[in-house]
Amino acid sequence: QKEVEQNSGPLSVPEGAIASLNCTYSDRVSQSFFWYRQYSGKSPELIMSIYSNGDKEDGRFTAQLNKASQYVSLLIRDSQPSDSATYLCAVNEIKNTGNQFYFGTGTSLTVIP
Amino acid sequence: NAGVTQTPKFRILKIGQSMTLQCTQDMNHNYMYWYRQDPGMGLKLIYYSVGAGITDKGEVPNGYNVSRSTTEDFPLRLELAAPSQTSVYFCASSYKGSSGNTIYFGEGSWLTVV
Repeated sequence: QKEVEQNSGPLSVPEGAIASLNCTYSDRVSQSFFWYRQYSGKSPELIMSIYSNGDKEDGRFTAQLNKASQYVSLLIRDSQPSDSATYLCAVNEIKNTGNQFYFGTGTSLTVIP
Repeated sequence: NAGVTQTPKFRILKIGQSMTLQCTQDMNHNYMYWYRQDPGMGLKLIYYSVGAGITDKGEVPNGYNVSRSTTEDFPLRLELAAPSQTSVYFCASSYKGSSGNTIYFGEGSWLTVV
């Protein structure tokens, strides 16, 4: 069983600061990596996807992937109160039996005005 | 721009009752999934499907059944509801694109078994 580990938090940062979210996964065959944001009472929504080692930037969000260390992170710059949510890390593996996604339990982020 | 549509959004069931959660997607995705999410917990895979006519068990399939007669529809059947099935249920679909895969979620179905 693939494991995806996240610090459950809660993580609190002041408005305007950088929030850093981390995720590790248990095996080396994972092929794609994702960060989802989930507001309370809502479904997960995709923020970022990353497939190769290094950094990927999209607006205030930067995803970082290190496959050798089995580590993926999400940086949120200039954090806003609207960023307060639970952030789910997901890894993807394509098998003969299908296209599998494995989720961490999420990190709760609170941005303090 | 419907994406993944689930019904009903909320439902209260009595112990022992049965019901079906409906899920349909209009993105022509081959892969579809049912997850449940308990409060403060991650997403646990119940069943998944790689295409019409093909389904397989996930992590927590007991007490549930699925079918996939068309690409669009993937209903989840709860037989003999139990309090342990009180949860939020998310249907999802995915594709394999040239640059990777992405999974998209429906809005969720909140189920309470009393």
